[in-house]
Amino acid sequence: LAKTTQPISMDSYEGQEVNITCSHNNIATNDYITWYQQFPSQGPRFIIQGYKTKVTNEVASLFIPADRKSSTLSLPRVSLSDTAVYYCLVGDKGSNYQLIWGAGTKLIIKP
Amino acid sequence: GAGVSQSPSNKVTEKGKDVELRCDPISGHTALYWYRQSLGQGLEFLIYFQGNSAPDKSGLPSDRFSAERTGGSVSTLTIQRTQQEDSAVYLCASSLETNKRPWFGPGTRLLVL
Repeated sequence: LAKTTQPISMDSYEGQEVNITCSHNNIATNDYITWYQQFPSQGPRFIIQGYKTKVTNEVASLFIPADRKSSTLSLPRVSLSDTAVYYCLVGDKGSNYQLIWGAGTKLIIKP
Repeated sequence: GAGVSQSPSNKVTEKGKDVELRCDPISGHTALYWYRQSLGQGLEFLIYFQGNSAPDKSGLPSDRFSAERTGGSVSTLTIQRTQQEDSAVYLCASSLETNKRPWFGPGTRLLVL
């Protein structure tokens, strides 16, 4: 199971675009990249998942370069409510429950 | 219900006591997972149930930890002879099938004094 590396914390301001990059040098051919968001006193919530190139949904975009050794979660025009911990996970869909969860990136949005 | 529910939301116990944590998965979800999250850390996999198959217990940290899933629905995680290092948030999640994304409950915050 691939291990990921992401910044421990980031700060930004309301209305800005925030990009959180995750490194996963040992990603395997069958692995997908999944991002979760966790607010205090809540369980993690799925944000976005991708395999290659770019994926966009109503919440975020996920950019994955051709070598797939990293990925970037992009949050457009953040608000105070986007303050949370963001986790990047890499693994085969069939064994997603065993994915290795790092400490995540604590994102703080300031007014 | 609309989502995964867990009870109690908070539990304070004394070292050496047994505790039971309950998880009600989303109706129709065949897969159920338990995780543990220590303060400021990511999730640690504990145990996984899929339908009527034997559970994957590979993440349980010791034989003091056990879990059951009755009737393919509600699950109970039991910690016997609790230790202070068991203090953490215990999260339950469920999914339609194994390879579908899990939906997490709010967790049970366990504090062992």
